[in-house]
Amino acid sequence: DTGVSQDPRHKITKRGQNVTFRCDPISEHNRLYWYRQTLGQGPEFLTYFQNEAQLEKSRLLSDRFSAERPKGSFSTLEIQRTEQGDSAMYLCASSLGQGARGANVLTFGAGSRLTVL
Amino acid sequence: AQKVTQAQTEISVVEKEDVTLDCVYETRDTTYYLFWYKQPPSGELVFLIRRNSFDEQNEISGRYSWNFQKSTSSFNFTITASQVVDSAVYFCALSGTYYNAGNMLTFGGGTRLMVKP
Repeated sequence: DTGVSQDPRHKITKRGQNVTFRCDPISEHNRLYWYRQTLGQGPEFLTYFQNEAQLEKSRLLSDRFSAERPKGSFSTLEIQRTEQGDSAMYLCASSLGQGARGANVLTFGAGSRLTVL
Repeated sequence: AQKVTQAQTEISVVEKEDVTLDCVYETRDTTYYLFWYKQPPSGELVFLIRRNSFDEQNEISGRYSWNFQKSTSSFNFTITASQVVDSAVYFCALSGTYYNAGNMLTFGGGTRLMVKP
């Protein structure tokens, strides 16, 4: 297993366009998280999944943002009608589930950097 | 609400110096976890350590050591004999238990460490 994979690594788009990011977690991890990191700041929680169920969403996740994990494996994060304020690094992480040793240790991917012009 | 404060935004040291990165946290939980992550220039967050709130023993791992003091809500990180490869942004983070917000991590703003040769 090569860790958490994210695609694309970089995306430049014009304001108003839709973008989608994909995350492939570590295969045995059933929890998947999305975070956003702006320049010079720490990552901020957006949402997380337990298998295919989306269990929590941050207030940061506006109606233009939607995340899915249809089969409990990979996940997508879509941003509709992008705005310049959406420019950030979008980080995906995964972890083991309940009861597992190290269940709350998140393994992060390298991130998808979004630039909205 | 949980909060993590890393008051030092940037630290510059010369190679072989010791350096301590400060972390202060706030939480109402009685059981919680504290973490340190390293983010090198490549961007991927790398897990360094997790500490349970019931375990106040200090920990040493090679040149790294951590000092957890519940009385002052601090979890400081010391690098002994720093090396240029230690140059990175270091994040302190806090999470509740599995049943409390699903192990969502709250990050501090990060401390950028620059180690000069």
